[in-house]
Amino acid sequence: IVMTQTPLSLSVTPGQPASISCKASQILLHSDGKTYLYWYLQKPGQSPQLLIHEVSNRFSGVPDRFSGSGSGTDFTLKISRVEAEDVGVYYCMQSLQTPLTFGGGTKVEIK
Amino acid sequence: EVQLVESGGGLVQPGGSLRLSCSASGFSFNNYAMHWVRQAPGKGLEHVSSIRSNGGNTFYADSVKGRFTISRDNSKSTLYLQMTSLRAGDTAVYYCVKDQAYTSDWYILGFDYWGQGTLVIGSS
Repeated sequence: IVMTQTPLSLSVTPGQPASISCKASQILLHSDGKTYLYWYLQKPGQSPQLLIHEVSNRFSGVPDRFSGSGSGTDFTLKISRVEAEDVGVYYCMQSLQTPLTFGGGTKVEIK
Repeated sequence: EVQLVESGGGLVQPGGSLRLSCSASGFSFNNYAMHWVRQAPGKGLEHVSSIRSNGGNTFYADSVKGRFTISRDNSKSTLYLQMTSLRAGDTAVYYCVKDQAYTSDWYILGFDYWGQGTLVIGSS
């Protein structure tokens, strides 16, 4: 499954919202009713950290300014008010089929 | 606190071998599938290999099938990746990753916790 993210990069003023799109080459809805779409943030010099699982569920400790939405093949990660600590590369990932595959990443920087 | 600590990376000549290890703590290792994900310098993320909680099932990406072997020792809470016939294209940071699902079934839910990674360089 090919995952395509847009935009490639984003420059955001602190306190402003940001939005990242992710499109899958096939529907990520499983027969169990769940949709296997994840979002990760890789901060500079660090390993990826899980933000959102199964489209819209924030992982433990993730601030509520992060939210995920979407269905089928089209998904969105939104940051309601960007903070300086949110800089890095954001990846979407599907876990419907092996191999699990990632989008190419969206680099978020602060203006 | 979940901790995953990789080791074993380094410089290896093309055609050579290397074994990566990942020491896990802070969770019941024997109840989770585990994974290796790699990231070439300046590039994106690639799912390399996975292993069931009891070691009974494995997955390999086509790019490493027949060359890499994933294994685990639940008595030591340690995950391994034996890499042979290494190529320049295998140069990457290799991350040890925990699955999100607490299960004895062969089931990959998704990746939650990641180690800091170990760098493998395939070069003469």
